[in-house]
Amino acid sequence: GNSVTQMEGPVTLSEEAFLTINCTYTATGYPSLFWYVQYPGEGLQLLLKATKADDKGSNKGFEATYRKETTSFHLEKGSVQVSDSAVYFCALNYPGGFKTIFGAGTRLFVKA
Amino acid sequence: DADVTQTPRNRITKTGKRIMLECSQTKGHDRMYWYRQDPGLGLRLIYYSFDVKDINKGEISDGYSVSRQAQAKFSLSLESAIPNQTALYFCATSDLTGDYGYTFGSGTRLTVV
Repeated sequence: GNSVTQMEGPVTLSEEAFLTINCTYTATGYPSLFWYVQYPGEGLQLLLKATKADDKGSNKGFEATYRKETTSFHLEKGSVQVSDSAVYFCALNYPGGFKTIFGAGTRLFVKA
Repeated sequence: DADVTQTPRNRITKTGKRIMLECSQTKGHDRMYWYRQDPGLGLRLIYYSFDVKDINKGEISDGYSVSRQAQAKFSLSLESAIPNQTALYFCATSDLTGDYGYTFGSGTRLTVV
């Protein structure tokens, strides 16, 4: 079946460090891929998405590239800030599908 | 006003009590979802609805029921609350494809004592 696997957290970084959160998926066909962010005490917010192979989604300095050959959608940011501390969820969806499948989430702590 | 509003934000209830969590949306979306979030377990789908007349069970529907009163309203009920239903509950909406992503509410933190 379809599934999403994220690297386990927590990830702890110092401010201005480079961030990578790995995400791989198992799916048939061509799903759309998403990253969501959940700040403390809030619901999930869509961070970025990509709908086809080699697409790059980007937002707020975060980027992720849809790699069909490696079935991956890794989240990256060149220089993290304390305000980026949150839980990040990778997800996939088939257009017209019944529901989006979420990964387990990766907690990020950024120290000043 | 938020696109997806959940009430209450926090609730403490006793074992055996019936409780309803409410969700309303102003996105005009047809699809609505209820998720449960537990530490280390990510999001688990409880129920989803594609329109007012369409209700579907998710992964963990036992002990829960839902009602889609209108396109904009989707409520979740715990008929007889038990302590292991203590969790953070989220309502979400999407368009018909789900391909523009989901819009989530701010969540309801439920504690069953």
